[in-house]
Parts: sequence; structure tokens; C-alpha cells
Amino acid sequence: GQQVMQIPQYQHVQEGEDFTTYCNSSTTLSNIQWYKQRPGGHPVFLIQLVKSGEVKKQKRLTFQFGEAKKNSSLHITATQTTDVGTYFCAGRAAGNKLTFGGGTRVLVKP
Amino acid sequence: GAVVSQHPSRVICKSGTSVKIECRSLDFQATTMFWYRQFPKQSLMLMATSNEGSKATYEQGVEKDKFLINHASLTLSTLTVTSAHPEDSSFYICSASHSPGQETQYFGPGTRLLVL
Repeated sequence: GQQVMQIPQYQHVQEGEDFTTYCNSSTTLSNIQWYKQRPGGHPVFLIQLVKSGEVKKQKRLTFQFGEAKKNSSLHITATQTTDVGTYFCAGRAAGNKLTFGGGTRVLVKP
Repeated sequence: GAVVSQHPSRVICKSGTSVKIECRSLDFQATTMFWYRQFPKQSLMLMATSNEGSKATYEQGVEKDKFLINHASLTLSTLTVTSAHPEDSSFYICSASHSPGQETQYFGPGTRLLVL
């Protein structure tokens, strides 16, 4: 079945630095979504990417969908303590359910 | 907009009892609701998809008789954990979407279940 993998599993970042988390699917996706879950909280929708090679920005967050629509990345610049949390990608192949990756747990060192 | 609530937020019960968790879409009609289970520091595992007025679709490995799902209205879905055991202890999260074709899922705050 469809598998979605995220790397790294953990990301320790110095405040002010940039980092990237990657999402890879075993199958071609019709779209991919990113969610953020704060410690003790629930997932909150961030963005959806649909087109091959699509790039979207939200302030310091840049999301990219691969040309083959099998991978995606989230790049955060100038990390802040408010960026702490787990970032999940979730991919959907045509006609299938949304499959969540394992998440990247982000810890920020002040 | 797109607020989803869950009740209760936390529940402790004795082994063998049943627990009902409610998921409500407060400001929109949710034709489709999803139930997830999340273990500590792990990802979300889809348990079932429920559509208003029809039977839920369960994922492989999820016992239908163990986790009863009812989606009686466009704003309410319930998950009942029957004859709960300690291994059922987990964080249960529901999500809802506006329509079957609506891609975005709005998550509830989750219910933390502890079975003693």
C-alpha cells in the first residue's frame, strides 16, 4: 500500500537557523498536505500542494512539491521558538485516503 | 471558521467499560468525518472514515465491533470504544471535511483515553 516517509524524525535547530524537512511517497500523489501539531495539541492544516513543481510560501515557511509528485519539502528560515512542534506531511494518491507521514519533531534551542 | 470540537477531552475508565467520544463540526456541515488514533510521539493512524447517513469504512486491522462509529447528522460523529482494555489507551482525534471532494481536513482537539 501507499507509504509516506518523512526525514528527519527529529530536528534540533538553533534559534535563527534554517532547516528543511523532507517527505517521500512510495506512489505518485494527486496532492500533498502539511500539518503542524504543537506539543499536547492537535494537527492544524498549513497548506496543500497540487501541481508538479509547485512552490508556496507562508512567511518563513516554504513548501515545495516535487516534479514527479512523489516528494515534498518544508523549509523554515530563521527558526523561532514558536516553530516548535511536529510537522506532518500527508499525501493522497488518486482515489485513496490521506496517508500521514511519521512527522518531523522540531525542537528549537534558544 | 471550520471549527471541530471533541468531547470529552480526557477520560479515564475501568477495563471492560465502554466509552463514547463525540466529534462535532461547529460552523460547517461535515459530510465526511475521520477518526484517527495517535500513540505518543507517533504519527496519525486512520481508523475509519464515516459519511453522514451511511456505514463507516474501516481501515484494515481496525475491529468494527470494537470501535463503533455513528455519523447520524452532518455535524456529529461518535466513536464508541466497546469493552475497553488498557491497550486501547491512546489519543483519539477526529477530523472533518466540508464534502467528499474537499481536501482539507479540520482536526478536533483530541480525546485522551486511559483505560485502567
